[in-house]
Amino acid sequence: GQNIDQPTEMTATEGAIVQINCTYQTSGFNGLFWYQQHAGEAPTFLSYNVLDGLEEKGRFSSFLSRSKGYSYLLLKELQMKDSASYLCAVKDSNYQLIWGAGTKLIIKP
Amino acid sequence: IAGITQAPTSQILAAGRRMTLRCTQDMRHNAMYWYRQDLGLGLRLIHYSNTAGTTGKGEVPDGYSVSRANTDDFPLTLASAVPSQTSVYFCASSEKTGGLETQYFGPGTRLLVL
Repeated sequence: GQNIDQPTEMTATEGAIVQINCTYQTSGFNGLFWYQQHAGEAPTFLSYNVLDGLEEKGRFSSFLSRSKGYSYLLLKELQMKDSASYLCAVKDSNYQLIWGAGTKLIIKP
Repeated sequence: IAGITQAPTSQILAAGRRMTLRCTQDMRHNAMYWYRQDLGLGLRLIHYSNTAGTTGKGEVPDGYSVSRANTDDFPLTLASAVPSQTSVYFCASSEKTGGLETQYFGPGTRLLVL
């Protein structure tokens, strides 16, 4: 079966750096996405990786290793507004997104 | 304002009743999707449409039906609601269905079936 694993919850301090890991087993691979979802709101797109390596986008970076079935989202200079759930999703061989359950990130002052 | 709208925002529904959740996008995207989101689980695809006039089944299609008469609208119908359909429903769209295509989400409909 298809599976996306990420930690359920993480806590970090304002101003610090946090890394949210995602491992996946899917039938085919056509890209990995990270979305942010604030409580009670819709998911919003953060980043996309299709090749191995690091993609940097301001305070957020995402890394992919296809051979290991592994990705991480790195958030730097954490702000209180970064408190949200972070969803990892992989596009399978049918170009459908398979979603992880999300990692709830709690930022403490 | 460009984007995706969903209606209603929330609904309490008696079991056995029929309900249609509405979704409209004004981005002229070809592909549209319906997901449900339940606590502790990832988003699960119910139905999708790659282009107007076509629909397909996702991971959890039972008890739901969709239609895609035009590009903008993609309603989701629960023919006879059951309590296990209590969930938050998100509609999404993307320009195409290729690997690079990003999905954009509507604000969601919170449905409680009693």
